[in-house]
Amino acid sequence: AQKVTQAQTEISVVEKEDVTLDCVYETRDTTYYLFWYKQPPSGELVFLIRRNSFDEQNEISGRYSWNFQKSTSSFNFTITASQVVDSAVYFCALKWSSTLGRLYFGRGTQLTVWP
Amino acid sequence: DGGITQSPKYLFRKEGQNVTLSCEQNLNHDAMYWYRQDPGQGLRLIYYSQIVNDFQKGDIAEGYSVSREKKESFPLTVTSAQKNPTAFYLCASTPFPGTGNYGYTFGSGTRLTVV
Repeated sequence: AQKVTQAQTEISVVEKEDVTLDCVYETRDTTYYLFWYKQPPSGELVFLIRRNSFDEQNEISGRYSWNFQKSTSSFNFTITASQVVDSAVYFCALKWSSTLGRLYFGRGTQLTVWP
Repeated sequence: DGGITQSPKYLFRKEGQNVTLSCEQNLNHDAMYWYRQDPGQGLRLIYYSQIVNDFQKGDIAEGYSVSREKKESFPLTVTSAQKNPTAFYLCASTPFPGTGNYGYTFGSGTRLTVV
């Protein structure tokens, strides 16, 4: 069964638009960790954020913000005033405390920002 | 600077050949992981290792083998038994596999193509 669902396969926006990337997850533990990674065309995964299950505060970092809602098992990612450099594949990932460190990844969302 | 080095960046293999992908880290991390990425599939776990001389199969281990003789090295061999090896391979590491809120460091990947 899929642990992390990113329903949006591809999203295209024009520069300066806001865009939200959705992430829904399944849990079997009460303690777990959620991640977002960015994969630019170069291929390397770039860490964006980590959130544990006990911290439901939303977070803002510059143009990036994350909305964590345990009630709906969602951890959505919003980019405000998107830029061409934001074009990449974005992955949501889940780690349970009992799974000895392995990450479960969603299938990723390809974001294209047009000038 | 600490990090993970994957080599080579591009690799071409003839059908029926075994090839080995290198992954070296100088982060003093205990756990290391190999993921395979196919378009639209996200990242799938091949093998992982929590300590030297120990490793476990992930979700798609068939046709692959690994070794962990040194803490800093976790090479992946793609054998001739792997029927569809063309993919992008990512290596990752983390300090303590089973505890805490630790992030993952990824290498820049190896793109393997069967010719």
